[in-house]
Amino acid sequence: SAVISQKPSRDICQRGTSLTIQCQVDSQVTMMFWYRQQPGQSLTLIATANQGSEATYESGFVIDKFPISRPNLTFSTLTVSNMSPEDSSIYLCSVGDTGSSPLHFGNGTRLTVT
Amino acid sequence: RKEVEQDPGPFNVPEGATVAFNCTYSNSASQSFFWYRQDCRKEPKLLMSVYSSGNEDGRFTAQLNRASQYISLLIRDSKLSDSATYLCVVNSSASKIIFGSGTRLSIRP
Repeated sequence: SAVISQKPSRDICQRGTSLTIQCQVDSQVTMMFWYRQQPGQSLTLIATANQGSEATYESGFVIDKFPISRPNLTFSTLTVSNMSPEDSSIYLCSVGDTGSSPLHFGNGTRLTVT
Repeated sequence: RKEVEQDPGPFNVPEGATVAFNCTYSNSASQSFFWYRQDCRKEPKLLMSVYSSGNEDGRFTAQLNRASQYISLLIRDSKLSDSATYLCVVNSSASKIIFGSGTRLSIRP
């Protein structure tokens, strides 16, 4: 399976600032997704990162708060903007080949907002 | 009703025991099913895909019951290292992948 490098692995940020998380894959992948996992909960899909076009956001998530880039088939970024303590969570990049193939995850970014 | 539901547990069983848990899904058109394992403070990792005929990988057996719309995971001869959260994942359509809330499993010596 693809090797997925996500960074930073963790960060502590102040309220009102923004953080950009990077996801690099060692091979071209069709699908890239960004998930959030809050403490003790399961994964929630934020958006699908579309190569060369705007991301597709799930209900409850908007581009102004979580802008996403995907300039090519191996790289994507997620920015958490104007952060508040409620944004403290683990953010996970995942990739897949087709709609029926399993997803594989980066090691996550543990974000704490103070 | 949630699209994918799991018993949150925790399941607390002795080492060597057999443990099984189910996951139900609501979309009868769902095509692909997976079990993931997530250790504390780690990312989810694929444990196994679930095939229509059922499949086995060592001590792990996965089953799919389309009529009743559930998948199951059976762990035989459980080890301490099996302690983790097990996530059921359903691809309900080409672009919609749903995660269950996870079942916590704790194996005691």
